[in-house]
This record gives sequence, structure tokens and C-alpha cells, in this order.
Amino acid sequence: GENVEQHPSTLSVQEGDSAVIKCTYSDSASNYFPWYKQELGKGPQLIIDIRSNVGEKKDQRIAVTLNKTAKHFSLHITETQPEDSAVYFCAASIWGSQGNLIFGKGTKLSVKP
Amino acid sequence: GAGVSQSPSNKVTEKGKDVELRCDPISGHTALYWYRQSLGQGLEFLIYFQGNSAPDKSGLPSDRFSAERTGGSVSTLTIQRTQQEDSAVYLCASSQSVEETQYFGPGTRLLVL
Repeated sequence: GENVEQHPSTLSVQEGDSAVIKCTYSDSASNYFPWYKQELGKGPQLIIDIRSNVGEKKDQRIAVTLNKTAKHFSLHITETQPEDSAVYFCAASIWGSQGNLIFGKGTKLSVKP
Repeated sequence: GAGVSQSPSNKVTEKGKDVELRCDPISGHTALYWYRQSLGQGLEFLIYFQGNSAPDKSGLPSDRFSAERTGGSVSTLTIQRTQQEDSAVYLCASSQSVEETQYFGPGTRLLVL
């Protein structure tokens, strides 16, 4: 079955710097890759997602890139702010076949003011 | 509009007792998922329901775990004869279909003493 690896497990940056989180997946059939942000005591919230027919997607300060050949995808946050501090999860799924998401173990991002 | 709601928000039980966790999905969402999040870990898929189809139970860790979805809406996850290793946050998510974004509830924090 699918396996998703996520790195780093913790990341500390200064406010205004960029943050990059990387994930790799094992099943070449996976075609949907969402990123979720989870704040303490809350459920995960989708921040951006990408499908396998697209190599890059951007939404304001957040971008995701996908390399299908290498089977890895990355989250990029520019101009980080203290409110970006949270745990970020990547996930992979096979849309059209299975519904469940396979998650990475998460990255705890700390943005220092 | 209203998001996914879960109850109770916290549950403390004794080893060996049965517990029921409830999920109210977003109105009109046909797909419903249960995940488990152990301390410091990613989300582990448990079970998902899609419309009137038979549920995908492939993620349930043992036969002590079961779930049902009545009338295509509310779902209940039942854990029988709870064990300490069942302590975790149980998250529910719903989506319009298996090819749509999954929206998560706040979770139920279960502690088995």
C-alpha cells in the first residue's frame, strides 16, 4: 500500500523567512496530494492541494510543487508569520479509486518573531 | 455554514469499557471518514463510507472497532473493551464525494485509563 514520508519533523524559522516541507510517496497511482495545517486542539484544515496533472500550484504565500517522476511533493511558505506556527501534514490519495488519505507524520513549524 | 461536528470533545474511560464516538458530517456530504491520531503521530485511516455502498473497513486495527452510518448522515464509531493503546484523538472528515476535499471535525480526545 501507499506510504508517505515527511521531512523535517520540526522546523524553526525567523519571521519573514521561507519554510519548505518535503514529502515522498511510494504508490505511483496516487494522484491527489493535499496539505493540512493543524493548530493545537483543532482538527486539520486544508491549506492547499494539487492533482497529478499539475506540477505547481500557488495561493498567495503558499505554494506546492509536485515531481511525479521522483514521487515527491513539497510545501513552500514564503514571508512566514507567527500565525503560520502549527503542525503541517502532507497526504496522498488515489482519487477515483479509493477515498482515504495516507498521511505523513507531520512537521511542527515554529515561526519566531 | 456548519462544519463537521464531533461529540464528545473529550472522553475518559476505564480499560475494558465500551465507548461510542459520534460524527455529524457537513450536510449533503456523501462520503465520511474516520481517522485516528496518536500522540505526535500522523493520521491513520480507519474506515470510510460512501453513499449507500458497503464501507471500506480496511483500516480498522482490530475487531473491537466498528462503525455505522445511519441514514447516510450521522456516524458512530464504537470501540469495545477499550485498551490503553486506544488512547488517541479520533477525527472524522466528510466530503461531497470521494473526489472532493475532505473537511475535518475537531476530533474526540479519548483517554483510556
